[in-house]
Amino acid sequence: DVKVTQSSRYLVKRTGEKVFLECVQDMDHENMFWYRQDPGLGLRLIYFSYDVKMKEKGDIPEGYSVSREKKERFSLILESASTNQTSMYLCASSLWVPETEAFFGQGTRLTVV
Amino acid sequence: GQQLNQSPQSMFIQEGEDVSMNCTSSSIFNTWLWYKQDPGEGPVLLIALYKAGELTSNGRLTAQFGITRKDSFLNISASIPSDVGIYFCAGQSSNQFYFGTGTSLTVIP
Repeated sequence: DVKVTQSSRYLVKRTGEKVFLECVQDMDHENMFWYRQDPGLGLRLIYFSYDVKMKEKGDIPEGYSVSREKKERFSLILESASTNQTSMYLCASSLWVPETEAFFGQGTRLTVV
Repeated sequence: GQQLNQSPQSMFIQEGEDVSMNCTSSSIFNTWLWYKQDPGEGPVLLIALYKAGELTSNGRLTAQFGITRKDSFLNISASIPSDVGIYFCAGQSSNQFYFGTGTSLTVIP
């Protein structure tokens, strides 16, 4: 059974803190993605990665960075958390093939106070 | 990034009724996907479609990949209370995914 696991379901952090969101997949997928989901704005791509140590900016990368040191793990880093980064964060993974599906983690609800 | 046009935005139906929702895009996709998301959870894949014209069922769910490769629909037959949630379509091409805005489904017992 496919599995994408995010390290936390709920996080509360203070403004200015450095925040790490971790995602692990057990399907040997090449592609991994970080999205944020906000009411009325849908899913927006922050960063994605096609391979270890490789990363590409998505639509809203400002204020975020990522790390992919191992194939199964993709981390999202908020360098200095701000209140406008309060959101639902979703990690997903997929195979590197022409026709493929994305599998999502359970989500991390981050609140920055 | 591109967002797909998904309609309707919300639906309120009686238990037992059938439901239909659709997605359209200006772009061609290799794959069409349908997800369901419960409150506070991540989206769960319901159906994946790989070929233009393909019609696929998963229990009470039926989805079709449009002939033009720019649209897809999802039908739910004989709705039950646990069908409540938000349904998203997604199109996939070049290892990227593009999502619809979601259809919020409420089932009245």
